[in-house]
Amino acid sequence: GENVEQHPSTLSVQEGDSAVIKCTYSDSASNYFPWYKQELGKRPQLIIDIRSNVGEKKDQRIAVTLNKTAKHFSLHITETQPEDSAVYFCAASISNSGYALNFGKGTSLLVTP
Amino acid sequence: EAQVTQNPRYLITVTGKKLTVTCSQNMNHEYMSWYRQDPGLGLRQIYYSMNVEVTDKGDVPEGYKVSRKEKRNFPLILESPSPNQTSLYFCASSLKGHGANVLTFGAGSRLTVL
Repeated sequence: GENVEQHPSTLSVQEGDSAVIKCTYSDSASNYFPWYKQELGKRPQLIIDIRSNVGEKKDQRIAVTLNKTAKHFSLHITETQPEDSAVYFCAASISNSGYALNFGKGTSLLVTP
Repeated sequence: EAQVTQNPRYLITVTGKKLTVTCSQNMNHEYMSWYRQDPGLGLRQIYYSMNVEVTDKGDVPEGYKVSRKEKRNFPLILESPSPNQTSLYFCASSLKGHGANVLTFGAGSRLTVL
């Protein structure tokens, strides 16, 4: 089955700096790559996703890039703010198979003022 | 309001005492799934269901049972809980077809087994 590896496991940045979280996947058939954010004590929530027919997607301060050849994708957060502090999970799956979403182990991001 | 509702949110129990965590969604989603979250291990899938009366094992199914008798409900059953099942549990659901994979999570159920 799909194996998703996520790095780093913890990341500390200063407010205003950029943060980058990287994931690799093993199944070349995977074509859907979402990112979930989980604030302390809350449920995971989708923040951005990308499908394999595009290489980059942006939504305000967050962006995701995908390199299908290398089988890795990354989350980029620019101009970080304290409210970006959370655990971020990447995931990979074959589109339209919602049950087969394989998550990375998570990255705990701390943004210090 | 579209949501996934889990109950109970917090539970402390003892080894061997059967318990059920309920999950209900009001979005007419076909897919439902249970995950457990443990420090350093991320979200691991326990069981999932593609539709009514269709369930399948995820990555960590041992010690758990599920049922899907109605589309909206997907209870998680621990027949004989053990301390290694102490965890934070999330139920999630999603649509089938286009739009699938966008999981809506419940608020979580924190279970402690003594």
